[in-house]
Amino acid sequence: DTAVSQTPKYLVTQMGNDKSIKCEQNLGHDTMYWYKQDSKKFLKIMFSYNNKELIINETVPNRFSPKSPDKAHLNLHINSLELGDSAVYFCASSHTGTGSTDTQYFGPGTRLTVL
Amino acid sequence: GDSVTQMEGPVTLSEEAFLTINCTYTATGYPSLFWYVQYPGEGLQLLLKATKADDKGSNKGFEATYRKETTSFHLEKGSVQVSDSAVYFCALSDRGTGGFKTIFGAGTRLFVKA
Repeated sequence: DTAVSQTPKYLVTQMGNDKSIKCEQNLGHDTMYWYKQDSKKFLKIMFSYNNKELIINETVPNRFSPKSPDKAHLNLHINSLELGDSAVYFCASSHTGTGSTDTQYFGPGTRLTVL
Repeated sequence: GDSVTQMEGPVTLSEEAFLTINCTYTATGYPSLFWYVQYPGEGLQLLLKATKADDKGSNKGFEATYRKETTSFHLEKGSVQVSDSAVYFCALSDRGTGGFKTIFGAGTRLFVKA
């Protein structure tokens, strides 16, 4: 059983298009994240949601909009895609309640290529 | 603010060699420390963790000890295999007033040759 799943795995699109990436976790975690990983493997956090509420919103263009319909889902919508948005995007989840250590569980990633 | 610094890669070793990947951190609180591993084409997965000073995390022959006095959490393995080739990330997680904040190092790529 997949713990954190993302769709699609690969996404190739033209500049200026709008696209969405979906994420679901079946671990019962209360917090979900989106990360961007560049070609040098550097991992940058973009957003964090706790119980459907935005907790962390790092400096990302407002073309990126996360949406959390419920605790098990965190989708990422990107408007007006640019060449620099090409990267691998990872969804992750964790339990952050009392006694937890925020061990994060990652999805398999979505490789976005903007042409 | 909190930060994690790990040695730059790539690190290239022959099979059965000893591995050390250095990681140091700065933190205002008492963070938990982690090593995550990313195999080619996959997401990160937890390798080991330690939650307080002097704790040793271990898994799959890898070990790391939480050293508060040197603010370090170096990853070691006595005998690497080709299958250990991956990118390794050191991370810390610190609970503040706004909840947890997890910070990842830049990653160290390991190549193991047969």
